[in-house]
Amino acid sequence: QKEVEQDPGPLSVPEGAIVSLNCTYSNSAFQYFMWYRQYSRKGPELLMYTYSSGNKEDGRFTAQVDKSSKYISLFIRDSQPSDSATYLCAPTGFQKLVFGTGTRLLVSP
Amino acid sequence: KAGVTQTPRYLIKTRGQQVTLSCSPISGHRSVSWYQQTPGQGLQFLFEYFSETQRNKGNFPGRFSGRQFSNSRSEMNVSTLELGDSALYLCASRVGGTDTEAFFGQGTRLTVV
Repeated sequence: QKEVEQDPGPLSVPEGAIVSLNCTYSNSAFQYFMWYRQYSRKGPELLMYTYSSGNKEDGRFTAQVDKSSKYISLFIRDSQPSDSATYLCAPTGFQKLVFGTGTRLLVSP
Repeated sequence: KAGVTQTPRYLIKTRGQQVTLSCSPISGHRSVSWYQQTPGQGLQFLFEYFSETQRNKGNFPGRFSGRQFSNSRSEMNVSTLELGDSALYLCASRVGGTDTEAFFGQGTRLTVV
C-alpha cells in the first residue's frame, strides 16, 4: 500500500467552479500536511501548510484535514484558468516527507 | 529574500558519464532534501542533509550521492549515468525540523542520451 494516494486526474472544470482535490494517507505518524502547486516544467510551489484537523483558509484556497480518517483535501473556490496545474499533497512527520503523485487540474475559460 | 537556487537548469549528458547538481537553500535554512521527479514515478525522495550530515536516505542505488557544505549549499552527484536517470531533480529547503515547510527550487532537468 502506498503511503499517500492521490487521484492523478486529469480533473477538468469550467472557470468559476469549486474544485475539490483529495488525498488519503496510511501512516498515522504524519502530523503536518502541505499542498503544493506545480506548473509544467517548474518546481512545486508551497500553497498551504497545516497541522491540526479542521480547516485552514487562505484566499480562494481551503485545506481540510481529518486525521481520524487520514484524509486531506484542498478546495479551490472561483477557479481560474491560471489554477491549471498539478496539485501535490505532502504529509510529513517523524522525519519523513512524502508526496502524492499529484492531481492534474484543468480549468477551462 | 532569495528563494532556492538550483544550477544548472538544464543538462544533457551521455550514458556512463557523471554529473553534479548544485542547490543553494534559502538563507538561514539548514536542511536540504533532493528529489527525483519523473512522469511515471512522481516525486521520489533521494536524501536529506542537515548541518552537513545526511539525515535521511531514500531507496536509490549508490550511484546517487550528495553532500552539504558548511554554508548549507548542497551538491548531488550521479555517477555512471543511465538513460533512466533522465528526470527533473528538485531540491527542497527547510529551516531545520522535518515538520517545517519545504520550499522547492525550479529544478535541474537532466537528459541522458
